[in-house]
Amino acid sequence: ELQLVESGGGLVQPGGSLRLSCAASGFTFSSYAMSWVRQAPGKGLEWVSAISGSGGSTYYADSVKGRFTVSRDISKNTLYLQMNSLRAEDTAVYYCAKGTYCSTTSCSKNYYMDVWGKGTTVTVSS
Amino acid sequence: EIVLTQSPGTLSLSPGERATLSCRASQSVSSSYLAWYQQKPGQAPRLLIYGASSRATGIPDRFSGSGSGTDFTLTISRLEPEDFAVYYCQQYGSSPMTFGQGTKVEIK
Repeated sequence: ELQLVESGGGLVQPGGSLRLSCAASGFTFSSYAMSWVRQAPGKGLEWVSAISGSGGSTYYADSVKGRFTVSRDISKNTLYLQMNSLRAEDTAVYYCAKGTYCSTTSCSKNYYMDVWGKGTTVTVSS
Repeated sequence: EIVLTQSPGTLSLSPGERATLSCRASQSVSSSYLAWYQQKPGQAPRLLIYGASSRATGIPDRFSGSGSGTDFTLTISRLEPEDFAVYYCQQYGSSPMTFGQGTKVEIK
């Protein structure tokens, strides 16, 4: 069964840091692009960051560029999101999502997301 | 950045009725790279439609998608009780990927 399980959320003060994890199972993790998508309380979905299957290419929304870093550990089948300089507006549920298949020669940076985790909640407040 | 505008904001219908949800893009979405998701309270989004009209695995055939260019539609032919939820469109034809603000389908 394909599964994504996020962890690492919590309460953090403005300016603080947090690292989210997403454990993947049921598919060949290294063959698929992955994304982080967030949802502020009562709001819609916002794409945050993406990473290619190999981890060699990363992409960010302008709202988090320079503050967030996405990475993956293929040996652990785990996706990460390092969040620094957190702001109140980063408060949200953070979902990891499985994206497109990546061949050895190409991996699209834009795709639909067919498997989602249940999310982990990040609250930035003093 | 492509802005997606969904309408209406809320759709009040009864079980068994037909639901028609609209998603309009500020620029043409290349190759009809448009997806639809369903989200219920406290749950993660679920992929319904990709490529504007292809149903995802396990999605009932009462869900259908259509459209191209800047205008896309999600139709639920006969609403079942479990279909009352929020629906989002997403374009993945250009960077950054963007979502619409959602349409809530509520029980009348």
